[in-house]
Amino acid sequence: NAGVTQTPKFRVLKTGQSMTLLCAQDMNHEYMYWYRQDPGMGLRLIHYSVGEGTTAKGEVPDGYNVSRLKKQNFLLGLESAAPSQTSVYFCASLARVPGANVLTFGAGSRLTVL
Amino acid sequence: GENVEQHPSTLSVQEGDSAVIKCTYSDSASNYFPWYKQELGKRPQLIIDIRSNVGEKKDQRIAVTLNKTAKHFSLHITETQPEDSAVYFCAASSPHSGGGADGLTFGKGTHLIIQP
Repeated sequence: NAGVTQTPKFRVLKTGQSMTLLCAQDMNHEYMYWYRQDPGMGLRLIHYSVGEGTTAKGEVPDGYNVSRLKKQNFLLGLESAAPSQTSVYFCASLARVPGANVLTFGAGSRLTVL
Repeated sequence: GENVEQHPSTLSVQEGDSAVIKCTYSDSASNYFPWYKQELGKRPQLIIDIRSNVGEKKDQRIAVTLNKTAKHFSLHITETQPEDSAVYFCAASSPHSGGGADGLTFGKGTHLIIQP
């Protein structure tokens, strides 16, 4: 049982390049999330999905796209990377326990855009 | 939507002393309040949580209190140890949060430093 797995762990891009971050979970969770973490800014929600085939915008969606073609996978894409997208990206999935919503995070992906 | 404020942003305490981190929230419909701990270079992990029908919850050296009237909740760590050094995030779950009906809104985090 691997939990939530993110790939790649590190990536360096040049401005204008594109890339995709992959998140996979083996816990059969319906909800999945992509957050970015920047110093002093906490965890900010980029996009989320409440089930296979669904996606929705979070707090900071501009410059990102997502897809949830399979329940276990949630992809985050950057079509034209910008230096402002340099960040650590965390994927998470949600276990809906009665009265509690427990997030399980991946290990993070550190992205640098030059 | 929900707004969560967290204070202080940095907290330095002597080993063995207590640490308190405070959060306020804006949406009176919020009903679940977890705390996540993130060690340097690691992923955030849930350490304790509290539901809106409970005023206090303890787990060994950590405790969380909730004041629904004032819309604030706090994390208390007693007898602090070096391994408590980390960034702590509070969060609130509101039906009006981004992230679906079960979405969490996070505070900006508190960097807790335990001085030897």
